[in-house]
Amino acid sequence: AQTVTQSQPEMSVQEAETVTLSCTYDTSESDYYLFWYKQPPSRQMILVIRQEAYKQQNATENRFSVNFQKAAKSFSLKISDSQLGDAAMYFCAYRKTIYSNTGNQFYFGTGTSLTVIP
Amino acid sequence: GAVVSQHPSWVICKSGTSVKIECRSLDFQATTMFWYRQFPKQSLMLMATSNEGSKATYEQGVEKDKFLINHASLTLSTLTVTSAHPEDSSFYICSARWDSPYSNQPQHFGDGTRLSIL
Repeated sequence: AQTVTQSQPEMSVQEAETVTLSCTYDTSESDYYLFWYKQPPSRQMILVIRQEAYKQQNATENRFSVNFQKAAKSFSLKISDSQLGDAAMYFCAYRKTIYSNTGNQFYFGTGTSLTVIP
Repeated sequence: GAVVSQHPSWVICKSGTSVKIECRSLDFQATTMFWYRQFPKQSLMLMATSNEGSKATYEQGVEKDKFLINHASLTLSTLTVTSAHPEDSSFYICSARWDSPYSNQPQHFGDGTRLSIL
């Protein structure tokens, strides 16, 4: 079964500094997708970044980048130049590809609450 | 981009009443919709997966008679919490996806519904 583990329930970062959120996962699949979602107090789920497992290149979206280590099953999120608006709950998520035979739903980690200190 | 609308965003009702939550895909046809439940400071837990025109598939431990899901059209799925009790108070989030046989399509989340049972 797929599991997603976020070992840091809470993290804090000084404004303008860099922070890395950790995520590990367990799967026997070779092809899958990994995501980081941000959930601010409004509770809306906002996609931050997405990584396809078959791609070796780490995904990047502006100040957000990932360190995807497929062999280690690790998928960390780096936030550079942190801003106050980055404060939120961050969820790491795994999704099977469409051709998997047990459904295509997400598996979410337990989340990391990020505080940005002015 | 694709938008998923969830309504209502917040509902308060008395114990014993039934509550219906709607999830609409606004600019795409959602062949698959997902319903999640999120307790405070916890992760999203998948409740059920619904495909248009067929019965929903419930996750283990989710009472199908308690949480009625209807996916009658390609743009609308509803979750009805029947005879709601205080322990049903939670944040419910839907997500929707158009399933293409040729590519993995993104899954879009609604803004969630905060359900409070008195």
